[in-house]
Amino acid sequence: DQQVKQNSPSLSVQEGRISILNCDYTNSMFDYFLWYKKYPAEGPTFLISISSIKDKNEDGRFTVFLNKSAKHLSLHIVPSQPGDSAVYFCAASVSGNTGKLIFGQGTTLQVKP
Amino acid sequence: NAGVTQTPKFRILKIGQSMTLQCTQDMNHNYMYWYRQDPGMGLKLIYYSVGAGITDKGEVPNGYNVSRSTTEDFPLRLELAAPSQTSVYFCASSPRVANTDTQYFGPGTRLTVL
Repeated sequence: DQQVKQNSPSLSVQEGRISILNCDYTNSMFDYFLWYKKYPAEGPTFLISISSIKDKNEDGRFTVFLNKSAKHLSLHIVPSQPGDSAVYFCAASVSGNTGKLIFGQGTTLQVKP
Repeated sequence: NAGVTQTPKFRILKIGQSMTLQCTQDMNHNYMYWYRQDPGMGLKLIYYSVGAGITDKGEVPNGYNVSRSTTEDFPLRLELAAPSQTSVYFCASSPRVANTDTQYFGPGTRLTVL
């Protein structure tokens, strides 16, 4: 049972344009969501998070949107840069549940110069 | 400040061999986690610990064991290696401030079982 799903294995965008990565979840108990970025041969790096009491969180070029009724979140990167090329994982957790994260399968983003 | 460190970076094991994957963090985090990532898949939780002396199973614990004798170290033990354990293993730690669950990951150990 895949509780967190990233249905697009890959995404290619031009430098300077917007990248939109999507994530869906099934467990309505999830109340904290995170995005991680992963380069080859490195561990995942925390990017941005959002609590279920919000519907938007912004940090520089990165914005995460949460639609609780649709059980959907998205990560917007504007403008996209070649250095953003990486695998992006969304993850979800239930507060107070010892911090265990459930990860999606990942989306590989390629930003072309 | 090294963060989360893992050793070794790479290892090849024969079926039935044993090994310990080392994980150390210098951030004084109470919470620590072990994940595995198979090709094209997300990370799956193997074991976790909420403090020294306290460990519990995650989604995929079979074939693994852990211990947590200090805040800094959280080794993962494979007793009888099987080809299904070929994967990349990541250790993570978290301060769990205000119940937020941001975890900080090590660089990973790539394990191949032949």
